Amino acid sequence: RKEVEQDPGPFNVPEGATVAFNCTYSNSASQSFFWYRQDCRKEPKLLMSVYSSGNEDGRFTAQLNRASQYISLLIRDSKLSDSATYLCVVNGGGSTLGRLYFGRGTQLTVWP
Amino acid sequence: GAVVSQHPSWVICKSGTSVKIECRSLDFQATTMFWYRQFPKQSLMLMATSNEGSKATYEQGVEKDKFLINHASLTLSTLTVTSAHPEDSSFYICSAQLPQGVNTIYFGEGSWLTVV
Repeated sequence: RKEVEQDPGPFNVPEGATVAFNCTYSNSASQSFFWYRQDCRKEPKLLMSVYSSGNEDGRFTAQLNRASQYISLLIRDSKLSDSATYLCVVNGGGSTLGRLYFGRGTQLTVWP
Repeated sequence: GAVVSQHPSWVICKSGTSVKIECRSLDFQATTMFWYRQFPKQSLMLMATSNEGSKATYEQGVEKDKFLINHASLTLSTLTVTSAHPEDSSFYICSAQLPQGVNTIYFGEGSWLTVV
């Protein structure tokens, strides 16, 4: 079983739409959770961390359910510039927090 | 500016040769760096954890004799793909964690390897 399973997509939405991505992780010892964004042929960039209480950053809202080992990302009022692949990322647990496991990514295309 | 620098960005090599990729932390010391590989339309897969001054820790299924990792200084880790074959063609990327904590993980720009 993969460490991180992610909604495969792709998602094609018009500008202004709301879109949600889902993700589950298998390692209950994981301590840190993130959403990264990866543009085509580029390195991933941190979009936001995900906290147990849920957190919001502008149009982006992330939720974590530790009991279900489930993470979500909600994007409101989609912009053309949001088109990218969104990666659900979980740390491997233990003391090496930088050891990350990535989901396969969900491709989002926002059209005018 | 980049916090982690990776070089080269692109490399094409002949089958059977070895290729070295460098990952440098800029303006900070990284005792631990990480190497990932990403095949087209696939997720980034952690290959190994590179520890300064000691042997790297490889993930299951990653051949340590094929992917040599050296972390000789606090600012440099290298990945050498030995006897490269076309199936090794991939996007290789490193990351380093700043001392401040887990939310300060930065990735290098990645290296595209094509073996012909």
